[in-house]
Formats: sequence, structure tokens, C-alpha cells
Amino acid sequence: GAGVSQSPSNKVTEKGKDVELRCDPISGHTALYWYRQSLGQGLEFLIYFQGNSAPDKSGLPSDRFSAERTGGSVSTLTIQRTQQEDSAVYLCASSGSVVNTEAFFGQGTRLTVV
Amino acid sequence: SQQGEEDPQALSIQEGENATMNCSYKTSINNLQWYRQNSGRGLVHLILIRSNEREKHSGRLRVTLDTSKKSSSLLITASRAADTASYFCATGGETSYDKVIFGPGTSLSVIP
Repeated sequence: GAGVSQSPSNKVTEKGKDVELRCDPISGHTALYWYRQSLGQGLEFLIYFQGNSAPDKSGLPSDRFSAERTGGSVSTLTIQRTQQEDSAVYLCASSGSVVNTEAFFGQGTRLTVV
Repeated sequence: SQQGEEDPQALSIQEGENATMNCSYKTSINNLQWYRQNSGRGLVHLILIRSNEREKHSGRLRVTLDTSKKSSSLLITASRAADTASYFCATGGETSYDKVIFGPGTSLSVIP
């Protein structure tokens, strides 16, 4: 596609359930990021994939959070046993292989845990 | 941490005035980027300035970078109501393995 696609755009889930958020980056982009943004706040870094290197998971808030990137393309962020404090907008971005070029963002998934 | 910190956190100006936002960071960088966000959804890239550049222009936007002070500023001239948004600076480390980190942002309100 022409841009970064995220699905679903909105997700309401019950506390304790697992959720999967999907990101389709721009074709050919080697870098992929997941960020979390609570209402009125900045972007909290979660995880970073760059090519075939081991992902930088230093921003994942707990072991309930995990992410994978299959075939260097699509990425899935999984949150297990969701808690109310997980409610936020989850943003995915991708960028090209040149050092730290412009990042292109998806429209995000708004997760609400009830 | 290489994280950028914007200043001020919030800014309210009249249409037609200029808006200046500042960003400070802590470590060596390859470049610094400014993004805009409307309505709490996806960010849009505005401008990228490399560490060997001091000033860059794009339309009504002017960005400066002072690597000795580890700071950058974004100037929006002749602001419009449509410029109302949150603005974030983001710093990229020196290698492609360094993640891009965003600051907390400046919320700009342009009053018609």
C-alpha cells in the first residue's frame, strides 16, 4: 500500500483478555517502530525492529507485551492479560534503511480496556 | 537517553503571529526531526535537519539546530488556525541501529 496500515483502528476488550494489533509497514522499509500514546501525552517507545538485527525491546513495559515481525514486513504487537492502564493509542511507524530517515506513521489503534 | 524535550509544553497565540517551539536533547545525534500530530492519531513528518546543518526552511517552517547546546527550534511564521496541533521533536542516533526517540511535545493553539 501507499502508507503504513494499522488494524484494527479501534479495539475494545475486557480486562484480562489478550489482544493483537497489526501493522503493515511501507514496502521495503527495514525499520519498524511501535509507540504507545496515552491521552494528551507524548509517544512512549515500545519496540524497534531494524532489518535482520535483534529487536530493541527496551521500551516494553512488562512481559505481557510482545511483538514480532514476520519476513521483515508485517508486525504484530500482542498484549496478554490486558489491564485498564493498557488503554492508549498504539502507533506503528516505518522508515527506510538509511540512517534514521523520516518515519511514516499509521493512524494508530485505539485500545480501550474495560 | 537521547530523548528530546520540547519547550513550552503548551503555546497559545493569535492567528498571524509567529510560534516558536524549542527542543533539547542529551546525546550525540545524526539528525533531528520535527513532526506534527492532529487529533491524537498518526504523526506527520515536517522537516529533518542533519547534525552538520544549522538551519533549514520549508514553506512557513524554519528549523535551527545548535549541536553545541544540544538544542533545536521550530518557528512557524504567520500562523493559521489550521496549524493548531501538537508538535514533537525526534532525535535519531548516530547509527541505523539507534532508534528514533520522541519528546513529550508542544501543544499549539492558534486562535482565529
